[in-house]
Amino acid sequence: EDKVVQSPLSLVVHEGDTVTLNCSYEVTNFRSLLWYKQEKKAPTFLFMLTSSGIEKKSGRLSSILDKKELSSILNITATQTGDSAIYLCAVVKPNNTDKLIFGTGTRLQVFP
Amino acid sequence: DAGVTQSPTHLIKTRGQQVTLRCSPKSGHDTVSWYQQALGQGPQFIFQYYEEEERQRGNFPDRFSGHQFPNYSSELNVNALLLGDSALYLCASSELGQNRGYTFGSGTRLTVV
Repeated sequence: EDKVVQSPLSLVVHEGDTVTLNCSYEVTNFRSLLWYKQEKKAPTFLFMLTSSGIEKKSGRLSSILDKKELSSILNITATQTGDSAIYLCAVVKPNNTDKLIFGTGTRLQVFP
Repeated sequence: DAGVTQSPTHLIKTRGQQVTLRCSPKSGHDTVSWYQQALGQGPQFIFQYYEEEERQRGNFPDRFSGHQFPNYSSELNVNALLLGDSALYLCASSELGQNRGYTFGSGTRLTVV
């Protein structure tokens, strides 16, 4: 059965810290991996990764995919209180529906 | 450019009742997927609609049904509500096969009492 596992489940840090969130997957016929940030309701898109080893970067956030290890990491440097959210990892399967298979998410809390 | 719009934002229903949730996709998107997110969990795929037809279904009972209209908007219907149906229901729109990711709506928070 397809599975996406995120770790840690929860993380509490202080502003300025750097955090690394992990996502591993057991999905047949992997196509791409996506990271989303969910603050209250709507998950907002962060990154889509399709090629192994290529880093995607946006400001203080970056992510890398390792297809050999079937995993991805999301790094956030110099964290701010506004980074507090649930970070969701999802894998897309290359069939006609492109459905997303989500992990349970990592809840990040950043305190001043 | 309007994003994905869902209505209502919140809903309280009694066990056994029926509910209809609505979704308007982002402009230019032709595919609508529905997800259920229980508290503390990641979203779970319910089903996807394209060209007014259900293309694939997740592991949800027949009490969950849907519809897509010619303007690409969609409805999710849940019959015979159970307490366990309480969750955030998210709608996501996309362009089928384009692999450009999904845009999510803000969801409908359904509480069954």
